[in-house]
Amino acid sequence: EPEVTQTPSHQVTQMGQEVILRCVPISNHLYFYWYRQILGQKVEFLVSFYNNEISEKSEIFDDQFSVERPDGSNFTLKIRSTKLEDSAMYFCASGPKGGTEAFFGQGTRLTVV
Amino acid sequence: AQTVTQSQPEMSVQEAETVTLSCTYDTSESDYYLFWYKQPPSRQMILVIRQEAYKQQNATENRFSVNFQKAAKSFSLKISDSQLGDAAMYFCAYRSFPMNYGGATNKLIFGTGTLLAVQP
Repeated sequence: EPEVTQTPSHQVTQMGQEVILRCVPISNHLYFYWYRQILGQKVEFLVSFYNNEISEKSEIFDDQFSVERPDGSNFTLKIRSTKLEDSAMYFCASGPKGGTEAFFGQGTRLTVV
Repeated sequence: AQTVTQSQPEMSVQEAETVTLSCTYDTSESDYYLFWYKQPPSRQMILVIRQEAYKQQNATENRFSVNFQKAAKSFSLKISDSQLGDAAMYFCAYRSFPMNYGGATNKLIFGTGTLLAVQP
C-alpha cells in the first residue's frame, strides 16, 4: 500500500542551524502539507502546497520556514535558523485531487539544543 | 474560525468493553468533513474513520463507529470490543468542504486529543 515517507526519523540540531526535513508523498497525490506537534500538544497546521505554490499557511509559518518540491517527488520543509521552540514532531501529509483525506507520514522528531 | 474541542484528556477501558470518546466542534459552515485519527506510541497519525457532514448516516469501520449529531455539533467515536492495540492518543479533526470539485483540499483542524488506555 502506498505511503508517505519522511526522513530522517529523528534529527538533533543546534540552535541557529538550518534544517531540511524531507518527505516523499504518495505518487499520484497533488496536495501536500506540513503539520507540527509539540510534545504533549495538539497537531497544528503549518502549510499546504498545491500546483507548485503555497495555497495556505498558518501564523506559525513565518519567514524562517519555507517549502519546496524540488524534483516532482520530494517535498521539503526548511527551517532557516532553528530556535529551541521549534523542537517538535513534524508531519508531512499528502492528499489526492478531489479526495477528502490526508495521509500522514510517520513524522520527523526535531530536537533543537 | 473553526474550532475542535475534546473535553476528555484521558480515558480508560477494559479489554473487550466499549468506550466512547467525545468531540465537539464549532463552525458556521454547512458542509465539511470530520475525522478521527489514532496516534499510537510510534507517533504516526492513522486515519480511523471519516464522516461527511451532508450524510445523515453515521460512519462505521469494523469496531469503530461514530455518533454524528450535526445540530449539536457533536462527533463522538465509539470503540467496541476494545483491544490492547487500541491504546493510543485519539484526535478529532475538522476539514472544510472544498470550494469546488477538485479544488484545494483544505487543512485539518485538530482537537487536543484523548489518551485512551486499555486495561487487560
